[in-house]
Amino acid sequence: QVQLQQSGPGLVKPSETLSLTCTVSGGSISNYYWSWIRQPPGKGLEWIGEIQKSGSTIYNPSLKSRVTISLDTSKNQISLKLSSVTAADTAIYYCARVSRTTGWYFDYWGQGTLVPVSS
Amino acid sequence: EIVLTQSPATLSLSPGERATLSCRASQSVGSSLAWYQQKPGQTPRLLISDASNRAAGIPARFSGSGSGTDFTLTISSLEPEDFAVYYCQQRGNWPLTFGQATRLEIK
Repeated sequence: QVQLQQSGPGLVKPSETLSLTCTVSGGSISNYYWSWIRQPPGKGLEWIGEIQKSGSTIYNPSLKSRVTISLDTSKNQISLKLSSVTAADTAIYYCARVSRTTGWYFDYWGQGTLVPVSS
Repeated sequence: EIVLTQSPATLSLSPGERATLSCRASQSVGSSLAWYQQKPGQTPRLLISDASNRAAGIPARFSGSGSGTDFTLTISSLEPEDFAVYYCQQRGNWPLTFGQATRLEIK
């Protein structure tokens, strides 16, 4: 079955770049779209951006100047980079699969990675 | 950006009762709306896509309705495992947005 396994540093310092990886098993990433979503502790969900199987990306305007999402098809991975982080970027970060068969909604999610931003 | 407003913020009901959750969009999203359930310490789970289509494995007690700007998630008879947080999410326009959630708690 499809599994999304996230990895990355558990703590990032202010002004540095947050980097996370989502490794997919049980299917090729080339057949789907992929999103990153975040959730500040105890709060709601915020969509960060999406990468389509062509490699084209769409980002949330609120984060666009700082976000890069990319695919590594050789490793079946999706990555997220968020630059110049501040405490406001402290959140649980999720990768999620976007599936045409479910109407282009998020049908599989990674386990989530809590990334505190602190010096 | 389309703002999704969920109501009520908290809904207190007992097992066996009917739950009705609302999601209102600031502009039309057609039928491009989904509902997710999130339990403490877990990832969100897709319940309903395109306003009214139950996702695979979702029990029939969950149903969705609506179009345009007004949407409803109904749980016909609450089971103990249904007490959780529920989010709506639109895909009608970029950026994708989520509602601020309805917390369904045991009365």
